Amino acid sequence: AQKVTQAQTEISVVEKEDVTLDCVYETRDTTYYLFWYKQPPSGELVFLIRRNSFDEQNEISGRYSWNFQKSTSSFNFTITASQVVDSAVYFCALSGFNNDMRFGAGTRLTVKP
Amino acid sequence: DADVTQTPRNRITKTGKRIMLECSQTKGHDRMYWYRQDPGLGLRLIYYSFDVKDINKGEISDGYSVSRQAQAKFSLSLESAIPNQTALYFCATSDSRQGALADTQYFGPGTRLTVL
Repeated sequence: AQKVTQAQTEISVVEKEDVTLDCVYETRDTTYYLFWYKQPPSGELVFLIRRNSFDEQNEISGRYSWNFQKSTSSFNFTITASQVVDSAVYFCALSGFNNDMRFGAGTRLTVKP
Repeated sequence: DADVTQTPRNRITKTGKRIMLECSQTKGHDRMYWYRQDPGLGLRLIYYSFDVKDINKGEISDGYSVSRQAQAKFSLSLESAIPNQTALYFCATSDSRQGALADTQYFGPGTRLTVL
């Protein structure tokens, strides 16, 4: 069975701090995909990144970076120099062989001015 | 116009009523999905469809049914709504042929359903 764990329910930081959101996953599939989505207060789900299980390269996109480590089954997300607009719920998700996507419970990030 | 639309956006209904939530997409994607979101539980997959003739149960399909009327339309029905089906419902689409982004799911705006 596939499972995604986001142990941090809520995180609060002050603007300009760096923050890392943790994601740990479980799967028996050898080919799988990991995702991060952002859900701002307005409620929509915004796709941030997709990573396949064969690509362990870290990725950076502006202030966002992702660290994928198969050895620890983790796919962590770091926001550098956080801003108030980063306040949202962030979901990590895992999709395996049968495309059955499983989401973590989400981490609510609050960035205070 | 939004690529993935859901109707209605909000609905309040009573226990025992039949409810249909509709999803339409203009993205040309072949795959469509229905999820529900409950506080503290993230999103859970209800049903998914890889094409018009292919429907699959997700993690929590009991009490729900779906219909894929066309490639662009995927509806979710609650045959006899109950209060614990109160949730935020999301439709999503993905394209199995999109290369590096294949099967990345893109979500509609959500439908907030309240069952009294």
